[in-house]
Amino acid sequence: QKEVEQDPGPLSVPEGAIVSLNCTYSNSAFQYFMWYRQYSRKGPELLMYTYSSGNKEDGRFTAQVDKSSKYISLFIRDSQPSDSATYLCAMSEGGGADGLTFGKGTHLIIQP
Amino acid sequence: ETGVTQTPRHLVMGMTNKKSLKCEQHLGHNAMYWYKQSAKKPLELMFVYNFKEQTENNSVPSRFSPECPNSSHLFLHLHTLQPEDSALYLCASSPLNYGDGYTFGSGTRLTVV
Repeated sequence: QKEVEQDPGPLSVPEGAIVSLNCTYSNSAFQYFMWYRQYSRKGPELLMYTYSSGNKEDGRFTAQVDKSSKYISLFIRDSQPSDSATYLCAMSEGGGADGLTFGKGTHLIIQP
Repeated sequence: ETGVTQTPRHLVMGMTNKKSLKCEQHLGHNAMYWYKQSAKKPLELMFVYNFKEQTENNSVPSRFSPECPNSSHLFLHLHTLQPEDSALYLCASSPLNYGDGYTFGSGTRLTVV
């Protein structure tokens, strides 16, 4: 059964802090891993996309995948109030259009 | 705008009504999806269309009926819904090899009364 676990929060941190968001999963066939950011009254927008294990960095954001532990992380450096949103992890087995399995999302609040 | 447009943004309907949600994308994507987002639950995949052909129906009740007349448009027809169907309905599109991920619309907030 496909299942992705994600702490819904809320997670509240002061501006400038390093934020760590995490998901665990049970399906070892997942190979594609994504992080989406969703602001209130908006649809999710893709932040990071990673294939298999390893790290990927984009500006203040770093995504990590550890397939051996079935654990993925998103780090946000120098967090800003504009980073306040819900962060959704998502993953899939194939790279084609077979749909994504999402976590519940973590509500993040950056305090000015 | 993300390139995926959903209308209407808000919809209130009675349990005996029939309504339709519309999704339109001009990103050149070949796959389109309907997802349901309820409070405190993960996004739930409802339907997948590849090149206008439905490739997945994720055990969705028949009161939800999708239609994909072409690769740019997707509809979700609703009839005799239940109050528990109230949720945010999100449309997304992607290339078949979604290396760039999915592009989501802003959703339709549906309330069934």
